[in-house]
Amino acid sequence: QVQLVQSGTEVKKPGASLRVSCKASGYSFTDYDISWVRQAPGQGLEWMGWTSTYNNKSNYAQKFQDRVTLTTEASTNTAYMELRSLTSDDTAVYFCARGASGWTYWGQGTLVTVSS
Amino acid sequence: QSVLTQPPSASGTPGQRVTISCSGTSSNIGSNYVYWYQQLPGTAPKLLIYRNDQRPSGVPDRFSGSRSGTSASLAISGLRSEDEADYYCAAWNDTLSAFFGGGTKLTVL
Repeated sequence: QVQLVQSGTEVKKPGASLRVSCKASGYSFTDYDISWVRQAPGQGLEWMGWTSTYNNKSNYAQKFQDRVTLTTEASTNTAYMELRSLTSDDTAVYFCARGASGWTYWGQGTLVTVSS
Repeated sequence: QSVLTQPPSASGTPGQRVTISCSGTSSNIGSNYVYWYQQLPGTAPKLLIYRNDQRPSGVPDRFSGSRSGTSASLAISGLRSEDEADYYCAAWNDTLSAFFGGGTKLTVL
């Protein structure tokens, strides 16, 4: 069965960088893009961007354009989301999802807390 | 403030039909597909509707979607207690960015 398993909870200090991983299984990894969505506590969903697992071409939300990098590693069926210059506003649950849209399969979410 | 506008809350009694609206513009809903997600507390979202009105396998036909102009709606008929959740619409815009609505909290009275 299709599974997306994300890395565990993170606590970061303001100004630090974050890397969350998303390991896929149960399907051919390079057949689908990977998207990233986050959700701040008590808030709605926010799309961050997507990346092609075929050629690592990415498309980012304008809000994150200069702070985020999405990559994939086909050899390990893993996608990564790197977010730099963290602030308390980046405290959220980060989700990966399969595909560029119409996300049927999601990771379990990674809780990230940014606090001094 | 979200690019796509949803009512913050909706409610209904078991068996009722409720609708949740999602308002956008010609750059997003007006020219791109709409998707609907259900999110239960502490869980990842679940895709309910894709491409405006299509249901993924396993989603009950009590859930239906529609789009007209720059607005879309999710209808839930035969409301059940387990339908109590947050519901989000989503759409791409012409600049190849995806947006979610602010979410609607559905309460089953």
